[in-house]
Amino acid sequence: EAGVTQSPTHLIKTRGQQATLRCSPISGHTSVYWYQQALGLGLQFLLWYDEGEERNRGNFPPRFSGRQFPNYSSELNVNALELEDSALYLCASSAPGGWETQYFGPGTRLLVL
Amino acid sequence: EDKVVQSPLSLVVHEGDTVTLNCSYEVTNFRSLLWYKQEKKAPTFLFMLTSSGIEKKSGRLSSILDKKELFSILNITATQTGDSAVYLCLAGNNRKLIWGLGTSLAVNP
Repeated sequence: EAGVTQSPTHLIKTRGQQATLRCSPISGHTSVYWYQQALGLGLQFLLWYDEGEERNRGNFPPRFSGRQFPNYSSELNVNALELEDSALYLCASSAPGGWETQYFGPGTRLLVL
Repeated sequence: EDKVVQSPLSLVVHEGDTVTLNCSYEVTNFRSLLWYKQEKKAPTFLFMLTSSGIEKKSGRLSSILDKKELFSILNITATQTGDSAVYLCLAGNNRKLIWGLGTSLAVNP
């Protein structure tokens, strides 16, 4: 069974540009979670999608947005990139109502120059 | 405000030592607390705790939750260099997931 996949693995952008990160959940999983992990810091909760709906979002500015598609894959968009957006972005998926058994993807490392 | 606080932030021990990592939480309508180990990449699941006083064990690792005092501990006995990692605590309810900053453990030979 394929795990959670994320693309791209690495992304280099300059300040002010936009970044789009993608996540494909495990087959049968309908919930997707996005996290940001800046260097040396813990995970910060970004977004939680359940069956296409945004269930909750963390304390991030509106330039961080996302969506979940009918096939439950998800996109994270970061507009007007800032240097401090450089981080590892992790996506996880779970069965409905089961955040406790979320499986992580390998992450996308975003570098903003 | 809901929060999860881990202590210590970092720890250096020698192989064979026993370590205790702490995670205190304040989460409205608390549902579960999880421990993860993170090395180079994505966190890997260790334990899920929902009930007070029931110890979960896996080899040299064990964990317990105290819902009255709002904390959990993760114990690692007879530490090995392979235990070197960041240990993360996650607590949540039906709508919110809060991570601690993690405890960075270094086990020296």
